[in-house]
Amino acid sequence: QQQVKQSPQSLIVQKGGIPIINCAYENTAFDYFPWYQQFPGKGPALLIAIRPDVSEKKEGRFTISFNKSAKQFSLHIMDSQPGDSATYFCAASGGSARQLTFGSGTQLTVLP
Amino acid sequence: NAGVTQTPKFRILKIGQSMTLQCTQDMNHNYMYWYRQDPGMGLKLIYYSVGAGITDKGEVPNGYNVSRSTTEDFPLRLELAAPSQTSVYFCASSYRGPDTQYFGPGTRLTVL
Repeated sequence: QQQVKQSPQSLIVQKGGIPIINCAYENTAFDYFPWYQQFPGKGPALLIAIRPDVSEKKEGRFTISFNKSAKQFSLHIMDSQPGDSATYFCAASGGSARQLTFGSGTQLTVLP
Repeated sequence: NAGVTQTPKFRILKIGQSMTLQCTQDMNHNYMYWYRQDPGMGLKLIYYSVGAGITDKGEVPNGYNVSRSTTEDFPLRLELAAPSQTSVYFCASSYRGPDTQYFGPGTRLTVL
């Protein structure tokens, strides 16, 4: 019930491509879905987050798509750049939970 | 603001030794967390705290202890270190449970 499944584990795209990372959850009480970005040797940092009252949220080149009925959400990176190469984690929280449940992470490489 | 600071950055322990990982935040956040990150395994919650004097177990608490005597500090104690505790440890804080979590830079621990 608390698990968040993330795919793919790794992803390689060319510069300008649109990588898509997917997450699925089971707990219908979840109502907060953030994405974190982590560069090598650094701690994760919040990238963008969505609540289930909207189906899409854009911040710059980053977009979250949310499908409440399918219990899935995804991160799209438009016009990807080599500087976007990092590990991306989805997460979820809600209901009585006082902590985030993280996905297993996706290592993204954007080739120049 | 320094945000979340962690010390030390690196440490090598021998099996059976003990140590304390320090974590301090200056954002007056109520919630603080300890995670461990193993390669390809995402972030696993060890312990968390919702305020001074209140702590609770996360997903992987065995072999660790915490205390929260002040709002600012949340040390993680390893007793009788084992090779399975070789990992990167991250401390994080947030104003509320589902809010943005701010991560420290991490402590890379090796147990030999």
